[in-house]
Amino acid sequence: DGGITQSPKYLFRKEGQNVTLSCEQNLNHDAMYWYRQDPGQGLRLIYYSQIVNDFQKGDIAEGYSVSREKKESFPLTVTSAQKNPTAFYLCASSIGTNTEAFFGQGTRLTVV
Amino acid sequence: KNQVEQSPQSLIILEGKNCTLQCNYTVSPFSNLRWYKQDTGRGPVSLTIMTFSENTKSNGRYTATLDADTKQSSLHITASQLSDSASYICVVSGLSGSARQLTFGSGTQLTVLP
Repeated sequence: DGGITQSPKYLFRKEGQNVTLSCEQNLNHDAMYWYRQDPGQGLRLIYYSQIVNDFQKGDIAEGYSVSREKKESFPLTVTSAQKNPTAFYLCASSIGTNTEAFFGQGTRLTVV
Repeated sequence: KNQVEQSPQSLIILEGKNCTLQCNYTVSPFSNLRWYKQDTGRGPVSLTIMTFSENTKSNGRYTATLDADTKQSSLHITASQLSDSASYICVVSGLSGSARQLTFGSGTQLTVLP
């Protein structure tokens, strides 16, 4: 059953803590992305990766970090430097950067 | 600055009725335009993808149109069902192919009432 899986679905973080959001895909896609979604706004690109061991900053990368050690995995760490981390985070993958993107089910992060 | 604007912001219709959602964009140069459906608390799911040369594309009860000259697209939903209640997002891709060239609209929230 091919697809893209994000975990956990809900995540709570205390202020000052780092948390890592998981994203795994078995679609054999080269490109993977992380987006942030806030109410009333379009998705904003945090980081993207076009190939293993390479990734690029998106429009709102400050306070976030990623790694791409395996083709299937693209975890996102929300660091304590991110001042407003409460949001819905979406991971996506595609064959190339200009082809259809497939999204995971999202992780809702709440700072408590 | 690349922008995608969607209207209306929200829409309420009765089950069985038709509706049309609008998308205007200023992305240039243009590669393709996509419509996604996003259920509450879930990831977006692709409905259609249209390139510069395509005017109309259908996916079941969903029909998307594209006018590349006026930089407008519409998504028409026929015979709406309760399950159509969702946010519909228009996404425009620039010609460079970079992930940075994807510009997302803020979506139209559709509610279908029985």
